[in-house]
Amino acid sequence: DAGITQSPRYKITETGRQVTLMCHQTWSHSYMFWYRQDLGHGLRLIYYSAAADITDKGEVPDGYVVSRSKTENFPLTLESATRSQTSVYFCASRTPSGGRANEQFFGPGTRLTVL
Amino acid sequence: DAKTTQPNSMESNEEEPVHLPCNHSTISGTDYIHWYRQLPSQGPEYVIHGLTSNVNNRMASLAIAEDRKSSTLILHRATLRDAAVYYCILRVLSSNTGKLIFGQGTTLQVKP
Repeated sequence: DAGITQSPRYKITETGRQVTLMCHQTWSHSYMFWYRQDLGHGLRLIYYSAAADITDKGEVPDGYVVSRSKTENFPLTLESATRSQTSVYFCASRTPSGGRANEQFFGPGTRLTVL
Repeated sequence: DAKTTQPNSMESNEEEPVHLPCNHSTISGTDYIHWYRQLPSQGPEYVIHGLTSNVNNRMASLAIAEDRKSSTLILHRATLRDAAVYYCILRVLSSNTGKLIFGQGTTLQVKP
């Protein structure tokens, strides 16, 4: 399917476990982003990537690790999950230039619960 | 990053125009004004953006004050599907990353 997809859509895990959230886009967009959304905080940027093998921290990077070996994939890993990481996670992508460079395309989200 | 201020919630009747305000008094000359919306249980979606002039697209219109310290998103005829959280966001023109800093947004309710 064309577009941006996230998997899994729902995940329940336990404190201390490692969890990886997947994000895949079919447009070959250079830029990709990970956000988390919590009640009362809106969306906050965790990490972003300008291209394969180029990543940088956002507002709330602690406790998360990202990688980008291929342009189309941008996985987000919680190395040791904590209850405070219970949230809805959104992945997004955008082109680097041109008119649509102003537009980020968001995935459907992954709802993560850490018990 | 400059901040935006929006009302927490607004109500509208179906098929009537809706004006969603946004204050950004600390905006700099290089900040674009972006609007995104988030329908229930979905990711945000782009609505419109502008720099200085008013903008129109198929979804909405964006009216920007002459001093750029405020803007208004206009939905010309609200439908039930327009019920969502609307975010007004400033993005630095010179920023290649295109990072978006989301605030709390305005929750729009549309009544039939």
